[in-house]
Amino acid sequence: EDQVTQSPEALRLQEGESSSLNCSYTVSGLRGLFWYRQDPGKGPEFLFTLYSAGEEKEKERLKATLTKKESFLHITAPKPEDSATYLCAVSNNAGNMLTFGGGTRLMVKP
Amino acid sequence: NAGVTQTPKFQVLKTGQSMTLQCAQDMNHNSMYWYRQDPGMGLRLIYYSASEGTTDKGEVPNGYNVSRLNKREFSLRLESAAPSQTSVYFCASSEGGVGYTFGSGTRLTVV
Repeated sequence: EDQVTQSPEALRLQEGESSSLNCSYTVSGLRGLFWYRQDPGKGPEFLFTLYSAGEEKEKERLKATLTKKESFLHITAPKPEDSATYLCAVSNNAGNMLTFGGGTRLMVKP
Repeated sequence: NAGVTQTPKFQVLKTGQSMTLQCAQDMNHNSMYWYRQDPGMGLRLIYYSASEGTTDKGEVPNGYNVSRLNKREFSLRLESAAPSQTSVYFCASSEGGVGYTFGSGTRLTVV
């Protein structure tokens, strides 16, 4: 059974204070690891897909990295508009569905 | 550029009532999914349809039925709503197991 655990559950940062969110996973053959952003009252919004250990992807202040056991979402010099819940999910080689972690709620204060 | 459209956005039901949640996608994706999101539980898969004409159970299928009406549309039905089904429901679609796109959700309250 695929499992995804995200930590911390909540993170408060000051504007400009860089940090990282963790996603640990176990999966029967990783097809892809996904990061999503979710704002209150909205559906998850796609950020990144990582496919193999060592892969990295960047978008503005966000950088996602992947190892064989975990993924990190690094946030550099965050702004208040980066406040949201960040979701991690994995897809296995059957490719039929995503298994999600519980999410990290990020709050960035000015 | 609508992506995945869900209706209704909000619904209040009485225990025992039935309703159907509608979902349509315009990206020509083969696979469609229904998830529910509860506080502290994350997103959990209810049912999915890998392609038109097929449906399969996910992690939490009890109390629900689905219909893949055509390639675009995938509906979720609650035959006899229970308070435990109070949740936010998300529909999603994908192609080839990548590029999952989610709708904006249906917020359902069962009283």
